[in-house]
Amino acid sequence: DAKTTQPTSMDCAEGRAANLPCNHSTISGNEYVYWYRQIHSQGPQYIIHGLKNNETNEMASLIITEDRKSSTLILPHATLRDTAVYYCIVRAYSGYSTLTFGKGTMLLVSP
Amino acid sequence: SAVISQKPSRDICQRGTSLTIQCQVDSQVTMMFWYRQQPGQSLTLIATANQGSEATYESGFVIDKFPISRPNLTFSTLTVSNMSPEDSSIYLCSVEDVGGAAYEQYFGPGTRLTVT
Repeated sequence: DAKTTQPTSMDCAEGRAANLPCNHSTISGNEYVYWYRQIHSQGPQYIIHGLKNNETNEMASLIITEDRKSSTLILPHATLRDTAVYYCIVRAYSGYSTLTFGKGTMLLVSP
Repeated sequence: SAVISQKPSRDICQRGTSLTIQCQVDSQVTMMFWYRQQPGQSLTLIATANQGSEATYESGFVIDKFPISRPNLTFSTLTVSNMSPEDSSIYLCSVEDVGGAAYEQYFGPGTRLTVT
């Protein structure tokens, strides 16, 4: 079973920040938090990952709580093209390890 | 990031037949993976394909049903054998290279299979 819990769906107005939460209370010390998204009829797309520090790239920011039991993916200015299913995944960083996809959060960005 | 292509992009097949899906990567990669996404569901890992060795299958998936080839570091095939309507899914190839950035996995566009 997936090690993460995410809301089934969320809505966001275009131009506003989208904050997607994820609970991963059983995360272990060598596991990172990864975020992927899947736009309809496309393959999943890597967004960002982190261990314990907050991370930011051109797509999003990742905020991880100090106890590492939860995190939030932030899309600072959501657009209609950000409508997708967002997956939060925990995986080990030590060598090859597979991705286990849960059900994810369906984010709908509206005009 | 790696660029992945899959062939065919979609197909409609009759039950009892087999379909081979191809996955081509624009760079050499160590690890390749095959996933299945049934209608309205999340992705499920079928197997991991390493070059020069047999694929490693996840629970619930067997080699006779989903034979995989990995002849080199840029190519793999997945065959869906003796198909039934329950095999109707999107099949996705993904790659990861430990020499690349941050253990990211990149996914192909998927092959949409409908079995009638």
